[in-house]
Amino acid sequence: KQEVTQIPAALSVPEGENLVLNCSFTDSAIYNLQWFRQDPGKGLTSLLLIQSSQREQTSGRLNASLDKSSGRSTLYIAASQPGDSATYLCAVSDSNYQLIWGAGTKLIIKP
Amino acid sequence: KAGVTQTPRYLIKTRGQQVTLSCSPISGHRSVSWYQQTPGQGLQFLFEYFSETQRNKGNFPGRFSGRQFSNSRSEMNVSTLELGDSALYLCASGAGDSTDTQYFGPGTRLTVL
Repeated sequence: KQEVTQIPAALSVPEGENLVLNCSFTDSAIYNLQWFRQDPGKGLTSLLLIQSSQREQTSGRLNASLDKSSGRSTLYIAASQPGDSATYLCAVSDSNYQLIWGAGTKLIIKP
Repeated sequence: KAGVTQTPRYLIKTRGQQVTLSCSPISGHRSVSWYQQTPGQGLQFLFEYFSETQRNKGNFPGRFSGRQFSNSRSEMNVSTLELGDSALYLCASGAGDSTDTQYFGPGTRLTVL
């Protein structure tokens, strides 16, 4: 059974720092991995989608990497800003085409 | 292009009642997936519909059901509500299946008293 873990559960850093969020999964048989952000009381916004054949994807200050063999993904945020404060979730699309979710990392960027 | 819309945004029901939630996907999207989000269990997949057919189903009891109409709008129904059904219900639309980028609505906050 696929399990997705995100570490740390919470992170607080000063504005301007570069930071890394981690996501690990137990079964390497995935179609893709997606990173989302969720603002309090709101829905999810897709940030990056990495296909299983890809190693990384970039969008602006965000870079996500995927190492399928080791079951790991990282989301790198450069030059963090207070507006980046949110909960970040990763999800893998498993062999049944279902999205399996991590519990999220709550990120706080201090001005 | 309008995003995914969900109605109602907030709902309060009592145990034993039933509830219907609605989701309108992005125009042109044919896939709609439903998720339940709770503080204890996180995000859990309920079911996915594509072209009016349920294509995938999560591990939820039969009290949870859904359907999709010819215009891709989807509804989910929960019968005989329990306190544990209190959650944020999210729907997501996509062009194909869950391997495509998923676009989420704002959710419906259901409270069961």
